Amino acid sequence: DVKVTQSSRYLVKRTGEKVFLECVQDMDHENMFWYRQDPGLGLRLIYFSYDVKMKEKGDIPEGYSVSREKKERFSLILESASTNQTSMYLCASSLSLTGEYGYTFGSGTRLTVV
Amino acid sequence: GENVEQHPSTLSVQEGDSAVIKCTYSDSASNYFPWYKQELGKRPQLIIDIRSNVGEKKDQRIAVTLNKTAKHFSLHITETQPEDSAVYFCAPYILTGGGNKLTFGTGTQLKVEL
Repeated sequence: DVKVTQSSRYLVKRTGEKVFLECVQDMDHENMFWYRQDPGLGLRLIYFSYDVKMKEKGDIPEGYSVSREKKERFSLILESASTNQTSMYLCASSLSLTGEYGYTFGSGTRLTVV
Repeated sequence: GENVEQHPSTLSVQEGDSAVIKCTYSDSASNYFPWYKQELGKRPQLIIDIRSNVGEKKDQRIAVTLNKTAKHFSLHITETQPEDSAVYFCAPYILTGGGNKLTFGTGTQLKVEL
């Protein structure tokens, strides 16, 4: 019973390409998040959204943008992919912004930029 | 994550021994303290959490203790088993510095050896 779905598990893109990572949740959560995960650095927040069409920068927003046109969908956009954006990207959703009741994560998208 | 430190970064124990992972944070206003477990190739999942009005919480073999004065909280796993091998993340809810979100630590790789 997968509740947060990321559209791709593995993705290979070329430097300079525009990349879209899609995330869909079916739990009617208000809050959605995009993290990137790198060895030794943990999970770093890129952007989050607490409502449709609302977005907030996280800790490392540079080089990324997001779109939340519908409650259930939160897209991460790499305007011009670079090799330093090679990483595992995790989407999450939650009932509360505080994280109480837990964040539900997707399976992740491993993006390689060549 | 910013203002969150997690130690140790790696931990190896013999099956049946106890494991302790410590997380320190800087925001004295933080009031929610969860721990997430990420098994190899899988998504992070909430395993236990504690709120600031409680000093300790147990759930079978795992427990979390909180010291608000010293601004740290710890994950305790007793009678460790091979299936406990995973990366563990603390993620205190940070309110200050443009926060209002969970801030993940850099993770602890726990290996339980037979």
